[in-house]
This record gives sequence, structure tokens and C-alpha cells, in this order.
Amino acid sequence: NAGVMQNPRHLVRRRGQEARLRCSPMKGHSHVYWYRQLPEEGLKFMVYLQKENIIDESGMPKERFSAEFPKEGPSILRIQQVVRGDSAAYFCASSPSGQAYGYTFGSGTRLTVV
Amino acid sequence: EDQVTQSPEALRLQEGESSSLNCSYTVSGLRGLFWYRQDPGKGPEFLFTLYSAGEEKEKERLKATLTKKESFLHITAPKPEDSATYLCAVPLEGANNLFFGTGTRLTVIP
Repeated sequence: NAGVMQNPRHLVRRRGQEARLRCSPMKGHSHVYWYRQLPEEGLKFMVYLQKENIIDESGMPKERFSAEFPKEGPSILRIQQVVRGDSAAYFCASSPSGQAYGYTFGSGTRLTVV
Repeated sequence: EDQVTQSPEALRLQEGESSSLNCSYTVSGLRGLFWYRQDPGKGPEFLFTLYSAGEEKEKERLKATLTKKESFLHITAPKPEDSATYLCAVPLEGANNLFFGTGTRLTVIP
């Protein structure tokens, strides 16, 4: 039973480009959460999705960031027109229900904006 | 304001030297306190959930305890492979996500 799969593991983008981060949850998990970890800071919640629905995006910056979890395929976190401050590790977690327990995290995507 | 504070920020131990990590929290209506381990370049790995004051859980050399204001992660006779960052987190009231502390970076020296 594969864990939460994130790709790419490392992503380098120039300022102004778009970054697309993918997350495939564990088999049987229909709840996906995205977190961001800035250097020397803790993990910060960004968005919580179920299939085809955004449930809570209270932690998502209002501009340039969007997330989706389509009926088929992985969840996507998209960052448009990236800036240096977007450089961070982005983690996806999945759970079988909408409760905080049962989180399984992926290994993350490390985004570097140059 | 909801807060989770971990101390110390960093801890260096000799192999076999037991110690404790602290996580203090100020959240209303605690719905569990979570401990994770994070190795460099990897995602957090779930260790324990504690739900009520007085509860204890153990796993190998780790034991987590919970009071009404804080949680401790006790590490008994640590080994170099216990070196990692240990994170605690709480679910915020009315939310489905976790609020994380900034972690304690543990280094165990052979």
C-alpha cells in the first residue's frame, strides 16, 4: 500500500513562472491537506480538499495560489507568478476521514524560486 | 489566541542520556495533541495522539504524556537514530487542520 506520493520532489522555478505540485493520496483516502514549511518556521496549513471540493482554504494566500482535487487524478497545488518568498517545502497529507487524526504526510516538494 | 510552543528549540544528547521535550499549548476545547517526527528532507511521521490529561503512550524509547497545559515527550536512553526534529500539533477548534509548533531539533551523539 503506497503512501502519499508527491511529485516532483524538487522544483526550481524562475520568478514569474508557474509551479504545479502534485499529490496522490493513500489508497482509500479521500481527504487531502496541503501545508507549507518555510525555512526555520513550523508547518502552516494552507488548504483542505475532498474530491472535487475545497472544504477550507483559510490558510491559502488570496492571490496566485489555487488548489484542486479532481474526481480523477492527483490533487494539484498551483502557484502562479512565483516570487522568492514562495520558496519552501510543500507537504501534502491525506486521511480517510475529515478528522485531524489519521494524517499521513508525503515527503514533500521543495520549491526553489531563483 | 491559540498557541503551541515547543522547547527547547534544539537539544544535543549523548547516546544513552535521557531527556524530555516540552510542548505547551493554549487552545480552547482540546481535541487531541499530536506528536510527529520529521527527518531532514522528509515529511512528518506520526508518532502519538493524546486526548486527555493523564494519558500516556509509549513507543520504543519514546513516551508521551499530557497535562491540561502541556505535553512531554520523554526519550529514554536515546540512540543516534533518534536524531530528528520532533513536532507537536493540535487541531484548532472548529477546524479540520493541525496547528504545529516549530519543533525541537534533537541530535544524539554516539
